[in-house]
Amino acid sequence: AQTVTQSQPEMSVQEAETVTLSCTYDTSENNYYLFWYKQPPSRQMILVIRQEAYKQQNATENRFSVNFQKAAKSFSLKISDSQLGDTAMYFCAFMKPWGYGGSQGNLIFGKGTKLSVKP
Amino acid sequence: AAGVIQSPRHLIKEKRETATLKCYPIPRHDTVYWYQQGPGQDPQFLISFYEKMQSDKGSIPDRFSAQQFSDYHSELNMSSLELGDSALYFCASRKRTSNADTQYFGPGTRLTVL
Repeated sequence: AQTVTQSQPEMSVQEAETVTLSCTYDTSENNYYLFWYKQPPSRQMILVIRQEAYKQQNATENRFSVNFQKAAKSFSLKISDSQLGDTAMYFCAFMKPWGYGGSQGNLIFGKGTKLSVKP
Repeated sequence: AAGVIQSPRHLIKEKRETATLKCYPIPRHDTVYWYQQGPGQDPQFLISFYEKMQSDKGSIPDRFSAQQFSDYHSELNMSSLELGDSALYFCASRKRTSNADTQYFGPGTRLTVL
């Protein structure tokens, strides 16, 4: 079974600085997807960034980028130029593609990291 | 762009009562997932549907059932409610034939059991 571990329950960063959130996962699969979701106080689940395991290039979305280390099974999220609106719970999630090894594509989440951006 | 719609947004029930949560996926999305997020917890997968058929089950109690209808909307039926069922229930949808493999979440239904 796949597991996702986020070892930092809480983190804080000053506005405009850079912060990195850690995520490791355990799987025997070779093909899968990894995601970072943001959950602000409104509790809405917002997709931040996705990474396909067969792509070596790290994904980037504006101020958000990942460091994907497949051999180490590590998937960290870097937030540059942190903004007050980045304050939220961040969840790392794993997903096997549909039909791959019987998967129907459900997400497996880590426990989350609560990020506070301070002015 | 249209998003996933969930209703109601908030629901308060007494123990042993029944609740029905509804999910309307993004148009042309054929797959629906239900997740339960307890207070301070990560979302846990409950059940999924593809083309109106149940496709997978996670940690869904036997007291819960769900179905997907011909218009692709889905309903989660919860009976004999317990205090521990108080949680945020998310529905997510995706288009199975898409290469995106990305699920889009609704705003959630907050269920409180008293």
